[in-house]
Amino acid sequence: NAGVTQTPKFRVLKTGQSMTLLCAQDMNHEYMYWYRQDPGMGLRLIHYSVGEGTTAKGEVPDGYNVSRLKKQNFLLGLESAAPSQTSVYFCASSYLFSGGYQETQYFGPGTRLLVL
Amino acid sequence: GESVGLHLPTLSVQEGDNSIINCAYSNSASDYFIWYKQESGKGPQFIIDIRSNMDKRQGQRVTVLLNKTVKHLSLQIAATQPGDSAVYFCAENLPNSGYSTLTFGKGTMLLVSP
Repeated sequence: NAGVTQTPKFRVLKTGQSMTLLCAQDMNHEYMYWYRQDPGMGLRLIHYSVGEGTTAKGEVPDGYNVSRLKKQNFLLGLESAAPSQTSVYFCASSYLFSGGYQETQYFGPGTRLLVL
Repeated sequence: GESVGLHLPTLSVQEGDNSIINCAYSNSASDYFIWYKQESGKGPQFIIDIRSNMDKRQGQRVTVLLNKTVKHLSLQIAATQPGDSAVYFCAENLPNSGYSTLTFGKGTMLLVSP
């Protein structure tokens, strides 16, 4: 049981380039999330998904797109990278129990992205 | 390692002391709270959680206290060890349109001296 994994671990992009970050979880969780973490800002939610084929915007969605084609995978895309997107990106996943209560989010190790 | 935050509140303690980390949450409707630990260069790691129908919950060396009257959450770490040095985040569950998401605090850095 690997938990939540993220690829790549580190990437350098030039302004305008595109890339996709991959998140995978093997815990059969319904919910998956993408966050970015910047110094002094804490974790901010980019997009999330409540199940296969569904996605929703979080607090800071601009400049990002996501897809959840399979339950275990959640992809984060940057179509045209900007220096402001330099950050550490974390993926997380959680169960949804009956009654609508969300349970603990489990995080991956992060992807460090530098946009020049 | 990479810093997870600049200008974070910092708590410095000696090894063996008890540590108390505080968090003020924002929404009186929040029904679930979590404490996470984040070591440098790693993802947040779950420590302990508590639901709003409780005011105290204990784990191994950790206790979370919830005061809903003043919207305050605290994490107590007993016999703090150098391995406890990390940034600690609280998170609250804000029910929204049938889907729940967590809102995270900015964190407190705990430094434990041998």
